[in-house]
Amino acid sequence: EVQLVESGGGLVQPGGSLRLSCAASGFTVSSKYISWVRQAPGKGLEWVSVFYIDGSTSYADSVKDRFFISRDDLKNTVHLQMNSLRVEDTAIYYCAISSTTFDHWGQGTLVTVSS
Amino acid sequence: EIVMTQSPATLSVSPGERVTLSCWASRSLSTNLAWYQQKPGQAPRLLIYGASTRATGIPARFSGSGSGTEFTLTISSLQSEDFAVYYCQQYNNWPPWTFGRGTKVEIK
Repeated sequence: EVQLVESGGGLVQPGGSLRLSCAASGFTVSSKYISWVRQAPGKGLEWVSVFYIDGSTSYADSVKDRFFISRDDLKNTVHLQMNSLRVEDTAIYYCAISSTTFDHWGQGTLVTVSS
Repeated sequence: EIVMTQSPATLSVSPGERVTLSCWASRSLSTNLAWYQQKPGQAPRLLIYGASTRATGIPARFSGSGSGTEFTLTISSLQSEDFAVYYCQQYNNWPPWTFGRGTKVEIK
C-alpha cells in the first residue's frame, strides 16, 4: 500500500528555519515525482516544490531561494528545508506523488510562523 | 503561469440534487485538467483526471467534462459524504501546477 507520512512541522519565529520530511512506503521515491503542496488556514492549495526522478528540482516563485527540496533514497524520504520563514508561509504542508496530477497525498504537517 | 478560476465559491444544495461546478483556465489546457475533493481535516483526493476520467474507486455519480478553457464537474445525485470543497488543477503547463480557489458544497 502506498503511504506518505509528513513530519517536522511546528511553531517557528519569522526568519527562522524548519525541515520537513516525507517518509514513503509501498513504492520508491526515486521512481516518482514527489511534490510539496501547502494550504494556508482556510485557503486553497498552492504547489510549492517538486523533486523530479532525474534529480532536478523546481520551486514556486513564492519560495524560490528560501526553500530547498532534497531526496534520501536510502531512507526513501523527501525533505523540504525551509529558511527565512515568513508569516505568510504558515500552512499545512502536504507531500504528494505527482506526475501530472497529485495521485497520493500524505496527511500533512502544520507549520506556523509567528512571533 | 496559468490562472484557474472556479465558480461559485459556495454552493448550498440538498442531498439528492444534481450539482454542477465550473472551472475556467486563463489559457487552453486541452483536457489536462484534474478535480480533487477535500473534506475537513483531510488531504485532497483525486477525483477526475484528463478532464473526464474518474480516478480509481471514484463513484460513477462524479463526472467531468470540458476542454480548452472551460470545464465542469457534475455530481449526479449528491450524497451526504459529498459535502466538501472541490478544486480544479491544471497540468498543461508546469511547473507551476496551479489550482483554482475551490468551490465549497454545503448542506442547504
